[in-house]
Amino acid sequence: DAAVTQKPRYLIKMKGQEAEMKCIPEKGHTAVFWYQQKQSKELKFLIYFQNQQPLDQIDMVKERFSAVCPSSSLCSLGIRTCEAEDSALYLCSSSQGGSGNTLYFGEGSRLIVV
Amino acid sequence: GMPVEQNPPALSLYEGADSGLRCNFSTTMKSVQWFQQNHRGRLITLFYLAQGTKENGRLKSTFNSKERYSTLHIKDAQLEDSGTYFCAAANSGTYQRFGTGTKLQVVP
Repeated sequence: DAAVTQKPRYLIKMKGQEAEMKCIPEKGHTAVFWYQQKQSKELKFLIYFQNQQPLDQIDMVKERFSAVCPSSSLCSLGIRTCEAEDSALYLCSSSQGGSGNTLYFGEGSRLIVV
Repeated sequence: GMPVEQNPPALSLYEGADSGLRCNFSTTMKSVQWFQQNHRGRLITLFYLAQGTKENGRLKSTFNSKERYSTLHIKDAQLEDSGTYFCAAANSGTYQRFGTGTKLQVVP
């Protein structure tokens, strides 16, 4: 599988604190996706970037998250004010050429909000 | 209903057994991808299909866009096949939608 790197692997935040997770997509990939996974259940789509521009995102991300891809080699997903329900595994994936192409995933950042 | 329905939610197989997983789509999808999620959380790509059937060792996957389903067949199950399997399907221009996963346990 391609190498998508995510950092940190784990982070623990208190309610109300800010959290930030970073993703380095596979070199040459133009699409980046963030997903949230709770308790090994299905992956919930959060936001999709194409050529560093956000093309689609869910309301929760618009309201409480901050996500940017300032360069093709680094993206970040932030939570402005952590809530208990944000505890989850955050998975970043990238693909060549946009949605519908093969996705490659990182190992994820596991956020625990206490 | 859900755009991607995946069955079964859980499966227990003896070593050497064969079985299959299935994803049904509520709408026409252009591509499907199957993943195995390991104990560390990483999603490993098993197959990407835009149509037809692909095989890789003991695994085989089929995607029928017209009939709106995809299958993953595991032959001669091994202990290392244990994990959670997901399908993810996309229509052009949209993000991949994931199934609810199948937790597979292979026992000796």
